[in-house]
This record gives sequence, C-alpha cells and structure tokens, in this order.
Amino acid sequence: GAVVSQHPSRVICKSGTSVKIECRSLDFQATTMFWYRQFPKQSLMLMATSNEGSKATYEQGVEKDKFLINHASLTLSTLTVTSAHPEDSSFYICSARDAGRGADWDTQYFGPGTRLTVL
Amino acid sequence: GDSVTQMEGPVTLSEEAFLTINCTYTATGYPSLFWYVQYPGEGLQLLLKATKADDKGSNKGFEATYRKETTSFHLEKGSVQVSDSAVYFCALSFNQAGTALIFGKGTTLSVSS
Repeated sequence: GAVVSQHPSRVICKSGTSVKIECRSLDFQATTMFWYRQFPKQSLMLMATSNEGSKATYEQGVEKDKFLINHASLTLSTLTVTSAHPEDSSFYICSARDAGRGADWDTQYFGPGTRLTVL
Repeated sequence: GDSVTQMEGPVTLSEEAFLTINCTYTATGYPSLFWYVQYPGEGLQLLLKATKADDKGSNKGFEATYRKETTSFHLEKGSVQVSDSAVYFCALSFNQAGTALIFGKGTTLSVSS
C-alpha cells in the first residue's frame, strides 16, 4: 500500500531556532499534501494544504510566515517551524493523496508524525 | 460550517464485547465519510470509508453505514479484541481532489482481556 514517511520522528530544539520536517510519499506521487497539528488527546487540526509547484493554502489562524511550507516535488513537502517557541510544541502530521491514474481520489495516507518539543 | 461530532471517550470494554462509536456530521453537500484508526505510537490508518448514502464500509470486522437521513456514520464491531485498543477518528471529505479531511475529536478505545 501507499506509504508516507516523515523525518524526523522526534526533535527537541531550543527556543528561537528553526526546525524542518520532511514528508515524503515513498511509492506514489502526491500533487497535494496536508499538514496537521495534533494536541494531546485532541483531534487533528488542519494547518495548511500543500500543492506541488505552488504556494500552500493556510487555514485561518495559522501564521504562514511562521510555518513555512514547500512542496518542491511530487514526493516531498517540507514544513519549517521558524523561530520556534514552547507553544509550538506539538505533534505534526502530514498526509498525501495519490495523484496516480486509478487511485482513490478521496483516500489520504498519513505519515507517522513528528513530535516537536521546544525548550 | 462542516463538522464531525464523535462520542466522548474513553470507551472501556472487555474482550469480545460489542462496540459502537457514534459519529454524526454536518455538511452542506454530500461528503465521503471515513473512519481512521491511530494505534499507540503510530500514524493514522484508514479503517473504512463510504462514499454515498446507504453504503456500508467494512474492514477487520468493523462496519459503518452512511445514513443520510440521520447524518450518521456509527462504527460497530461485534467482538472487540485487545489489539483493537486505539484512538478512532471519524472524518469527512468532499468530492474535490484538494480538499482536506475534517476530523472529529477522536474516541479512545481500551479493551481489556
């Protein structure tokens, strides 16, 4: 089946530094990837929709200058948390849709998530 | 706006008990409906889905039927196992390729032997 990887799985950084999280579709091409944030014991909140070759679409309330998203190829999207602060500590999850012919348009494949801790 | 409401957890059951996790939705159109499962320490996995009214999704003994009249998509399993312990998310999505999933808050299921 379709596999999405994320790297790193865990990262601890100091306040004020930037952290980059990679999301890769390993065996399919994804024109659209999604970035979610999950707080403890809560649901996933969509942060932004990442489209290959164009600017990401951010949800209301998400700072696009703080959460930089780049989708440079059909298999890779990156989320950079700039000048991270403790309140940015969270579980970040990406998902991707298979853009291939015959693929289920409505099925999203999720990465395992990245646990970010900002000290 | 569009939304998904799930029953509050945690749900605690003994092995072989019957499971129901309620899910209702509010939507302006005709969405596809999904159940995702998140096992401890892992990412979300699609459990089952239904794309139109009266469709029944099923997988691994779990079932859910798309009920347009009650705007519901309740998850059921006749006999749960310890290995079913996880967080279950109900979600919806519309018939557009760039549309993200809208999730419910998730329901934690704990099954004991």
